[in-house]
Amino acid sequence: GAVVSQHPSWVICKSGTSVKIECRSLDFQATTMFWYRQFPKQSLMLMATSNEGSKATYEQGVEKDKFLINHASLTLSTLTVTSAHPEDSSFYICSGGGQNSNQPQHFGDGTRLSIL
Amino acid sequence: AQSVAQPEDQVNVAEGNPLTVKCTYSVSGNPYLFWYVQYPNRGLQFLLKYITGDNLVKGSYGFEAEFNKSQTSFHLKKPSALVSDSALYFCAVRDQAGTALIFGKGTTLSVSS
Repeated sequence: GAVVSQHPSWVICKSGTSVKIECRSLDFQATTMFWYRQFPKQSLMLMATSNEGSKATYEQGVEKDKFLINHASLTLSTLTVTSAHPEDSSFYICSGGGQNSNQPQHFGDGTRLSIL
Repeated sequence: AQSVAQPEDQVNVAEGNPLTVKCTYSVSGNPYLFWYVQYPNRGLQFLLKYITGDNLVKGSYGFEAEFNKSQTSFHLKKPSALVSDSALYFCAVRDQAGTALIFGKGTTLSVSS
């Protein structure tokens, strides 16, 4: 089945650092990918829709300048958390696939981001 | 607007007993419904989906779900629970292909031996 690879799986860094998270579709082409954020024991909140070759679409309340998304190819989307602060600490998950109605989306294994 | 409700934060069952995890949904058009499972510090694993057709959908690891249009429900079921089924379960919906999933808050399933 479709596989989504997300890297890194775990990041610890100092406040003020920018962190890049990569999301790759390994066996399918993803014109659209999605980035979610998950707080402990809570649901996934959609942050943005990443569109290949064009600007991402951000959900209300998500800072575009804080969470930079780039989708330069059909197999790679990146999320950069710029000038990260402790409140940005969270679990970030990407997904792709599901372009046809009978196909599910497939999720990466997530990135645990801890800002000190 | 689309929404999903999972009314139970936690479901506790004994190993070998049947389990049900509840989900109700609200969409403007025809629903595409999904169940995913999440283990600690991992992404989501797809269990099953309802797009159209038979109301009873069979999925991975012995799970199944029943689509009930009149009750707008899509409950997840398994005839005999295993300890290894203990995890966080999410119901999700979207109203058209290619759009993001909208998730319920999740239900923690705990299966005791």
